Amino acid sequence: IVLTQSPGTLSLSPGDRATLSCRASESVSTAYVAWYQQKPGQAPRLLIFGASYRATGIPDRFSGSGSGTQFTLTISRLEPEDFAVYYCQQYGSSPPWTFGQGTKVEIK
Amino acid sequence: EVHLVESGGGLIQPGGSLRLSCAGSGFNVSRDFMNWVRQAPGKGLEWVSLVSYLGTTYYADSVKGRFTISRDNSKNMVYLQMDSLRAEDTAVYYCARGRFRGYFDSWGQGTLVTVSS
Repeated sequence: IVLTQSPGTLSLSPGDRATLSCRASESVSTAYVAWYQQKPGQAPRLLIFGASYRATGIPDRFSGSGSGTQFTLTISRLEPEDFAVYYCQQYGSSPPWTFGQGTKVEIK
Repeated sequence: EVHLVESGGGLIQPGGSLRLSCAGSGFNVSRDFMNWVRQAPGKGLEWVSLVSYLGTTYYADSVKGRFTISRDNSKNMVYLQMDSLRAEDTAVYYCARGRFRGYFDSWGQGTLVTVSS
């Protein structure tokens, strides 16, 4: 399954709402989609699994939604520490698991 | 607390071999799906390999036949044996714990593998 993220770069200001899209080339079974945040020089951090479930310790300004082939990560109000690269990942019926190419959220 | 630490990266010539290690603490690697994920310089994430709690292994097509994942339950370690290395294998390699088969809730800090002559 190929995942395509859009946009490639999102230029926003602190306090803005961010909407990141992830489109799958075929339906992802049971919405097995996760979202990760990665900052420079750091390992990725799990934000969302099962399309809409927040991982432990993740603030509620992060939310995920979607099903089938279209999934969305929303950050309701950007904090300074949210400027980073975000990846979606599918873990459907069987490996190989695949990631999207990433969306960079940068300060406008 | 779950903790993963990778080691074994370095500079290796094309065609050479390298073995990466991942030390787990705070949980049992034998009871989870353990993965390797890599990231080439300036690029995105690429899943590489998985060993399930049953010992079943899976590989990305790009490494199939060249890489072998294994684990030592007595040492709580996971390994990635990489043979016939190519320049395109140059990347930071992360060890990651997989939950419910496929999402990664814990990651190591990564180890850099550079394949170059």
